[in-house]
Amino acid sequence: GDSVTQMEGPVTLSEEAFLTINCTYTATGYPSLFWYVQYPGEGLQLLLKATKADDKGSNKGFEATYRKETTSFHLEKGSVQVSDSAVYFCALSEGSGYALNFGKGTSLLVTP
Amino acid sequence: NAGVTQTPKFQVLKTGQSMTLQCAQDMNHEYMSWYRQDPGMGLRLIHYSVGAGITDQGEVPNGYNVSRSTTEDFPLRLLSAAPSQTSVYFCASSRLARDHYEQYFGPGTRLTVT
Repeated sequence: GDSVTQMEGPVTLSEEAFLTINCTYTATGYPSLFWYVQYPGEGLQLLLKATKADDKGSNKGFEATYRKETTSFHLEKGSVQVSDSAVYFCALSEGSGYALNFGKGTSLLVTP
Repeated sequence: NAGVTQTPKFQVLKTGQSMTLQCAQDMNHEYMSWYRQDPGMGLRLIHYSVGAGITDQGEVPNGYNVSRSTTEDFPLRLLSAAPSQTSVYFCASSRLARDHYEQYFGPGTRLTVT
């Protein structure tokens, strides 16, 4: 079945550091890929998405490129801020697509 | 729009008790889902609905019931609560955006079963 694997955290970075959170997936077809962010005490918010190979999703300085050849969708940001501290989830949807398969989440802590 | 709303925000139950977690959306989305979030497990799909009167099981449906009598509401029922159901529960609704579905999540219900 479909699955998502993302790097385990927690990840601790200093402000203005470069961020990469790795995400790889297994799917039988051509899934849509998503990154969701969960701030402390809140629900999940869609951060960015890509629906086909080589698409790049971007939002709030975060980027991720859909790489079919490596089945990856790594999240990157050039300069993190303290306000980026949150849990990040990689997810995919396939077929009808209204339900998501999530990775286990990566906790990010950015220190001043 | 209020988006996706969930009540209650927090709940403590004793083993064996039953309760209903409420979920409502005002975006006229056809698709709605329930997930549970456990530490180190990500989110797992419990039940979902593709429209009023139609529901189906997800990855972890045991111990939960759902119904969808209206487009707006999708309650989740715990029939006989167990400590293993201690979790954070998220409801989501989905809209079709060109070639994929986008999910909108509620704020969650934190449930503790003692």
